[in-house]
Amino acid sequence: GIQVEQSPPDLILQEGANSTLRCNFSDSVNNLQWFHQNPWGQLINLFYIPSGTKQNGRLSATTVATERYSLLYISSSQTTDSGVYFCAVGSGGTSYGKLTFGQGTILTVHP
Amino acid sequence: GAVVSQHPSRVICKSGTSVKIECRSLDFQATTMFWYRQFPKQSLMLMATSNEGSKATYEQGVEKDKFLINHASLTLSTLTVTSAHPEDSSFYICSASSQGAITHGYTFGSGTRLTVV
Repeated sequence: GIQVEQSPPDLILQEGANSTLRCNFSDSVNNLQWFHQNPWGQLINLFYIPSGTKQNGRLSATTVATERYSLLYISSSQTTDSGVYFCAVGSGGTSYGKLTFGQGTILTVHP
Repeated sequence: GAVVSQHPSRVICKSGTSVKIECRSLDFQATTMFWYRQFPKQSLMLMATSNEGSKATYEQGVEKDKFLINHASLTLSTLTVTSAHPEDSSFYICSASSQGAITHGYTFGSGTRLTVV
């Protein structure tokens, strides 16, 4: 099956700093999502981005499908950004297929 | 739109009993739902794909007789953990697909934290 690798596994920042999270995947995808898992376990869908670039406030994401990677940018980080960030990809012949998750990046933002 | 509701959010049960977890799509019809399991400090692992009106498809290594999945309607899928044991303690989370998944991706429920004592 498709392999998903995220880096770095852990990231510690001071409030206000910028960061870049990376997601590499081993095969062509028709779905790629970035999630933030809060301390209660809820997965918050940040971006649906199988290709291209999107921005939402302080967050933006870019997926270069031909090179099989995606980047999540967090600017001016806040303590509320802390949590686990997951990249998940879907492949196969339908956009309704299952998602394979990376191992996540644990982000800690200190005040 | 595309809201997925999952209940209960937390359950504690005795070893040997069965527990049912519900996953509902509130504002759309979901022909396909997915069940994931997450152990502490680990990633989400797909357990099974639930298809309305047909048998679920289980991932390799997941016991279908232990994790019973029923998707009897377009808005409800249930996961029953039968004869639960402490090693089944985990965070279970469902997701559902809709037409909106093409442009917005999958929506996830809030998860169920199961503790078997």
